[in-house]
Amino acid sequence: DVKVTQSSRYLVKRTGEKVFLECVQDMDHENMFWYRQDPGLGLRLIYFSYDVKMKEKGDIPEGYSVSREKKERFSLILESASTNQTSMYLCASSPPPVPYEQYFGPGTRLTVT
Amino acid sequence: QQQVKQSPQSLIVQKGGISIINCAYENTAFDYFPWYQQFPGKGPALLIAIRPDVSEKKEGRFTISFNKSAKQFSLHIMDSQPGDSATYFCAATINQAGTALIFGKGTTLSVSS
Repeated sequence: DVKVTQSSRYLVKRTGEKVFLECVQDMDHENMFWYRQDPGLGLRLIYFSYDVKMKEKGDIPEGYSVSREKKERFSLILESASTNQTSMYLCASSPPPVPYEQYFGPGTRLTVT
Repeated sequence: QQQVKQSPQSLIVQKGGISIINCAYENTAFDYFPWYQQFPGKGPALLIAIRPDVSEKKEGRFTISFNKSAKQFSLHIMDSQPGDSATYFCAATINQAGTALIFGKGTTLSVSS
């Protein structure tokens, strides 16, 4: 079974803090993705990576950065957390050549106060 | 052109009824259309997917219907059960390395017993 794990299920941070969300997959997938999920807005892509050290901006990259130093690990960084970044963050991975077949982690519920 | 429009936002169906969720797209370059199912507290999981050269695909009680000329596709859940209560996302992608899924905003389905 493919497993995508995220470092925390719940996280509470203060405005202005630097926040790291970690994602690890165990299936040697090339593609990894970070989404945020908000009620009524669905899943919005923040960044994705199709190879180590490669990254592509998604629909809403502002205020976020990512790091992919190893194939299995994809980190999302909030440089200076703000209250409008309170959300559910979902990580996913997929094998090429089937980018539509994404495997999601359980999500991290981040609250910024 | 990159959007996938999904309706309805929420749906209540009686046990044993048919649940129907519709999606529309603009980008004719999309060549793969998956549906994801998400239960509360979990990440989305791939349910079923279809290519545009196929008009219908069935897996158990779940059927995707695809209308290429209208650029629409829909998910039908036959004999809906309370265990089908979840949020459903349609998506579209160009099935090649380095691309990402474009998700609809989701439909929350409640099946009443």
